[in-house]
Amino acid sequence: QSVLTQPPSVSGAPGQRVPISCTGSSSNIGAGYDVQWYQQLPGKAPKLLIYGNSNRPSGVPDRFSGSKSGTSASLAITGLQAEDEADYYCQSYDSSLSGYVVFGGGTKLTVL
Amino acid sequence: QLQLQESGPGLVKPSETLSLTCIVSSGSISSSSYYWGCIRQPPGKGLEWIGSVDYRGSTYYNPSLKSRVTMSVDTSKNQFSLNLNFVAAADTAVYYCATGMTLTQVDLWGQGTLVTVSS
Repeated sequence: QSVLTQPPSVSGAPGQRVPISCTGSSSNIGAGYDVQWYQQLPGKAPKLLIYGNSNRPSGVPDRFSGSKSGTSASLAITGLQAEDEADYYCQSYDSSLSGYVVFGGGTKLTVL
Repeated sequence: QLQLQESGPGLVKPSETLSLTCIVSSGSISSSSYYWGCIRQPPGKGLEWIGSVDYRGSTYYNPSLKSRVTMSVDTSKNQFSLNLNFVAAADTAVYYCATGMTLTQVDLWGQGTLVTVSS
């Protein structure tokens, strides 16, 4: 199982707001390490969506937002669109075992 | 704009070595601004960080793979490479080359290449 825990799937209707959670521990998110979020469209490579917990790279719509609190982080998508249907992964750093990069297991977003 | 292109074997036999080359274009691998990494994704599954190397050649590996992984930078060819020893069927995955401004943040991904481990 993954070091960071995400729900396997979420869904929402067009226009709705959908949150995706990412739960870690005191050796990763809770230790203050930044969280990144990636979007993976079907058959494509992942794409950076959020970096440094809440920052959007140029070109990412402001419908996507990230936050972090304690040992958890969250990605929120507002004004859901059909093109948002994809897999979403959170990522951070874990200080155990001399330190390494960790991903969440991924969340499949279905737009109803 | 910086680009990454994977070059891999496609098919590797069990117990052999998987060698992946990541070619960097429109930018210098010697830049101190970047970390160069490899991430894999088994079919239908999630992402797994394999390791990263910086411009000085310092390496950072996933503890679960560390005993089998070697990464290096070739500045003369503007590329970096991954060697994964003693592969098994569980190593079958799409392998991505990646780069970012920090060890954890991946700003750019290659298109990925499927490597199948089978006899």
